[in-house]
Amino acid sequence: DTGVSQDPRHKITKRGQNVTFRCDPISEHNRLYWYRQTLGQGPEFLTYFQNEAQLEKSRLLSDRFSAERPKGSFSTLEIQRTEQGDSAMYLCASSSSGGWVGTGSYNEQFFGPGTRLTVL
Amino acid sequence: SQQGEEDPQALSIQEGENATMNCSYKTSINNLQWYRQNSGRGLVHLILIRSNEREKHSGRLRVTLDTSKKSSSLLITASRAADTASYFCATALNTGGFKTIFGAGTRLFVKA
Repeated sequence: DTGVSQDPRHKITKRGQNVTFRCDPISEHNRLYWYRQTLGQGPEFLTYFQNEAQLEKSRLLSDRFSAERPKGSFSTLEIQRTEQGDSAMYLCASSSSGGWVGTGSYNEQFFGPGTRLTVL
Repeated sequence: SQQGEEDPQALSIQEGENATMNCSYKTSINNLQWYRQNSGRGLVHLILIRSNEREKHSGRLRVTLDTSKKSSSLLITASRAADTASYFCATALNTGGFKTIFGAGTRLFVKA
């Protein structure tokens, strides 16, 4: 296993179209995260999964965004009716659960290369 | 809005000098992490410091955490041109979940 992979790496679409991105995490990781990053900014949290359960979803995520992780392995992020403001890099990360150690659980995240979305 | 705010936004130094970046955050955290992102490449985890730790070292990196001031600093000693990158602090909120909030980053440029 060579790390987190994302597909496609680049996607150009027209406004109003639907797009779907895929993320394959490191195989033994049970946590998976989606972020969005625009130029000059840090990654913005979108959502995360523990196994197949989506445990938290950012208020930034409108109803046009949906994420799934059906078997607790790979995940998909779908954006419906894309808008120009959706243009960004979409990053996926995974981490192990690590258990509870001291004041909290260890959750170093391993990031994929991202999918760059351009909405025309 | 972002939880973490890095300072400075940009930093330019000569190779061999030390670089210090600061991060402030707003709410109670479980841990704080620093990541590096090279131009056009993915984020790489550098170091994690837990809320009950005050200082941590990893190679040329030194991280401090002051929970009373809700701030952290990252020191890179003897910088190299290859350290040129954006550096982000990320806080794992102490909410029982694993939501991680990134700051806007410090852009470090190390001149050879």
